[in-house]
Amino acid sequence: EIVMTQSPATLSVSPGESATLSCRASQSVTSNLAWFQQKPGQAPRLLIYGASTRATGIPARFSGSGSGTEFTLTISSLQSEDFAVYYCQQYNNWPSFTFGPGTKVDVK
Amino acid sequence: QVQLQESGPGLVKPSETLSLTCTVSGGSVSSRGYYWGWIRQSPGKGLEWIGSIYHSGSTDYNPSLKSRVTISVDTSKNQFSLKLNSVTAADTAIYYCVRSLYDSSGFYSSWGQGNLVTVSS
Repeated sequence: EIVMTQSPATLSVSPGESATLSCRASQSVTSNLAWFQQKPGQAPRLLIYGASTRATGIPARFSGSGSGTEFTLTISSLQSEDFAVYYCQQYNNWPSFTFGPGTKVDVK
Repeated sequence: QVQLQESGPGLVKPSETLSLTCTVSGGSVSSRGYYWGWIRQSPGKGLEWIGSIYHSGSTDYNPSLKSRVTISVDTSKNQFSLKLNSVTAADTAIYYCVRSLYDSSGFYSSWGQGNLVTVSS
């Protein structure tokens, strides 16, 4: 099983600032990496797939990068609605897709 | 815009079978190119992919759950279902039904609101 780790566990950011979240895979997942946003009481929402492709309707302030084992989600100019938990997920290892433990982005 | 809605009991006894149904609206479970699946979320294990079924009926399951899981489709009702047998407290979680992007596998763009299932006597 590919183990996904995320850092930091919690990121405190002021509105308007940018946030950089990291995701690491225990072995290469090439570019088969997705990012999700989850707010309390809601289902996760797909933000990014293919490591860098924004899903439909996702604002341009969300960007993904990386390949292999190291990935980054950058949120530029955080809005109030962006404070949430963010998960990465690999889908390279069929059929054993795995998620990271999440990074909580909260208000500084 | 496809919408997914889970339904099923919120409480299941240990050793029994957990059964959930996902009703699909705004799309068809028979549509070519989509994977329909189940993901669960618990405080202890986080998000865990359970398995998926393709429009053709072929299934894939998480190896860690494979011996206990069955996912099936009912095209007449536009639903798909999850059965997980021999449950324990470790199966307590929010269960989400999901759909993939068209012609993509492994990640899911549409999610139901979730169904909390507690395993307890």
